[in-house]
Amino acid sequence: QITLKESGPTLVKPTQTLTLTCTLSGFSLSTSGVGVGWIRQPPGKALEWLALIFWDGDKRYSPSLKSRLTITKDTSKNQVVLTLSNMDPMDTATYYCAHRPSGWYYLEYWGQGTLVTVSS
Amino acid sequence: QSVLTQPPSVSAAPGQKVTISCSGSSSNIGNNYVSWYQQLPGAAPKLLIYDNNKRPSGIPDRFSGSKSGTSATLGITGLQTGDEADYSCGTWDNSLNGGVFGGGTKLTVL
Repeated sequence: QITLKESGPTLVKPTQTLTLTCTLSGFSLSTSGVGVGWIRQPPGKALEWLALIFWDGDKRYSPSLKSRLTITKDTSKNQVVLTLSNMDPMDTATYYCAHRPSGWYYLEYWGQGTLVTVSS
Repeated sequence: QSVLTQPPSVSAAPGQKVTISCSGSSSNIGNNYVSWYQQLPGAAPKLLIYDNNKRPSGIPDRFSGSKSGTSATLGITGLQTGDEADYSCGTWDNSLNGGVFGGGTKLTVL
């Protein structure tokens, strides 16, 4: 059974760096073709794709946030970490991580999400 | 503004059929597979359709997907009140070199 769980701070101050961890269970990020992505959703708004890391360490970022985003993986810990620098109130959102299986692109399993509020 | 375009809302009566459109371009839908996600109120998105028209295990055949050119469509038949949710399309964009989503469509079952 594949599960993902996001963890991190629920409140950050403007200009701070957000660090979120996605803990994976039921699959390995060392399996060929597999990836883990991050997606966020501001309250009442649409899903926004942020980043994806593949089993081989290849990374993709949203062009609009690329300068502020970093995605890394620790296969031994079964974790994927996302950092977003220079946080702004506009970054207030629920952040999800999701499992990308091998083959064509889609997000098969999603974490429950974690709400991050940016406020001083 | 989302890369893929969906209607903000659709509605239909219980037992009826509804379709939700998702429009893109040659850099995304036109050359990649489309997936659909259902998001019940207060819950995380759930995969509903992948590879344009395939259903994951456990998804009833009331849900269907199709793609033509740079557009995709989600169909739901035999509507139930439990189908009230937000539905989003997603795919890969070759120009952006990343995933993209639609703006989401809120389904109301009257």
